[in-house]
Amino acid sequence: DAMVIQNPRYQVTQFGKPVTLSCSQTLNHNVMYWYQQKSSQAPKLLFHYYDKDFNNEADTPDNFQSRRPNTSFCFLDIRSPGLGDAAMYLCATSRDQRPREETQYFGPGTRLLVL
Amino acid sequence: GENVEQHPSTLSVQEGDSAVIKCTYSDSASNYFPWYKQELGKGPQLIIDIRSNVGEKKDQRIAVTLNKTAKHFSLHITETQPEDSAVYFCAANNYGQNFVFGPGTRLSVLP
Repeated sequence: DAMVIQNPRYQVTQFGKPVTLSCSQTLNHNVMYWYQQKSSQAPKLLFHYYDKDFNNEADTPDNFQSRRPNTSFCFLDIRSPGLGDAAMYLCATSRDQRPREETQYFGPGTRLLVL
Repeated sequence: GENVEQHPSTLSVQEGDSAVIKCTYSDSASNYFPWYKQELGKGPQLIIDIRSNVGEKKDQRIAVTLNKTAKHFSLHITETQPEDSAVYFCAANNYGQNFVFGPGTRLSVLP
């Protein structure tokens, strides 16, 4: 059974048109992460939620926002996508940062294409 | 902050041979080291991990070794099969901090 689910798997948007990617989890994990992964590169952390506490990485552009309305769901909003935002977007979860349950479980990803 | 290097960037082996991927990290406080396998068009999948109080861990054909003194850890895959072909990422984590990933190794197992 899928534990971290991402929808849609493929998303095509137009330059400057807002887009929302979604992630849901059945693991009841406290922490949810959003990563951006470009071709042949490692995943790059954009931000994460520890419960309702939002933690933004220092170099994440303001164009990227996130919402977590409840434990199970987390959304990534790209307000004005540019061509450089075309990438795979990965959602991940971990049970807790305390105590020491650091293992992260990734979803299948959403591939975003910007035209 | 933490920095993780990974070598080689690409690796080709014959089916049945062994494959070894090495990672080094810079922060001596890091204490958790997972390995992820990512197949084309899919998300990374955890294949094995090791914590700093353990020197070696094995799961069937996959093993990981950790040398805390030298700050490096390695993934060993024995009896490789074509389905092992993928990109492999190592990562390092300090308790309470976020993962730092290595740049990845593209493994090709040739039949």
